[in-house]
Amino acid sequence: DTAVSQTPKYLVTQMGNDKSIKCEQNLGHDTMYWYKQDSKKFLKIMFSYNNKELIINETVPNRFSPKSPDKAHLNLHINSLELGDSAVYFCASSHRLGGREPQYFGPGTRLLVL
Amino acid sequence: AQSVTQPDIHITVSEGASLELRCNYSYGATPYLFWYVQSPGQGLQLLLKYFSGDTLVQGIKGFEAEFKRSQSSFNLRKPSVHWSDAAEYFCAVGELGGGADGLTFGKGTHLIIQP
Repeated sequence: DTAVSQTPKYLVTQMGNDKSIKCEQNLGHDTMYWYKQDSKKFLKIMFSYNNKELIINETVPNRFSPKSPDKAHLNLHINSLELGDSAVYFCASSHRLGGREPQYFGPGTRLLVL
Repeated sequence: AQSVTQPDIHITVSEGASLELRCNYSYGATPYLFWYVQSPGQGLQLLLKYFSGDTLVQGIKGFEAEFKRSQSSFNLRKPSVHWSDAAEYFCAVGELGGGADGLTFGKGTHLIIQP
């Protein structure tokens, strides 16, 4: 069974479009995250959700919005896509929020904006 | 703020040789430290973690890491690498006290295995 799953795996779209990436975890974890991995493989956290509350929002444009219909899902909506949004987006989850909690990652969604 | 440095962008090792990947962290208190591996086109997989206690931590796939507070290091080691170990390796630090910053990752070390 896949612990953290994401769809789609690949997403190719035009500038200006709106798109969503879905994430589901079946680990029973309370906290979920979205990370962005750039072309140089650098990983940066975008959002954390703990018990359906947005915990952090790093320097991420407000075109990005996480939505969590329930504890097992954290979807990422992106409006007005820009070329610089091209990256790999990873969803992750952890048992609880906190630095000592290992995070478990999904397989990633490769977004290409043309 | 916490930070993680992986000084080696690329490392090339012959199959069967030993491996050490370096990681240095900057954090005021006792850090929570992790190593992850990312195979090509895949997500990140947790190799091992350190919270406290024994400074030598065993992980999956034959990896181990040693926490050295005096050197602010958490280097990853493997006595004999296999071709399947070729991947990107990330060191990460977590914030004490349930901080909301998630994990802070280093920039990764790309491991190349020579036959």
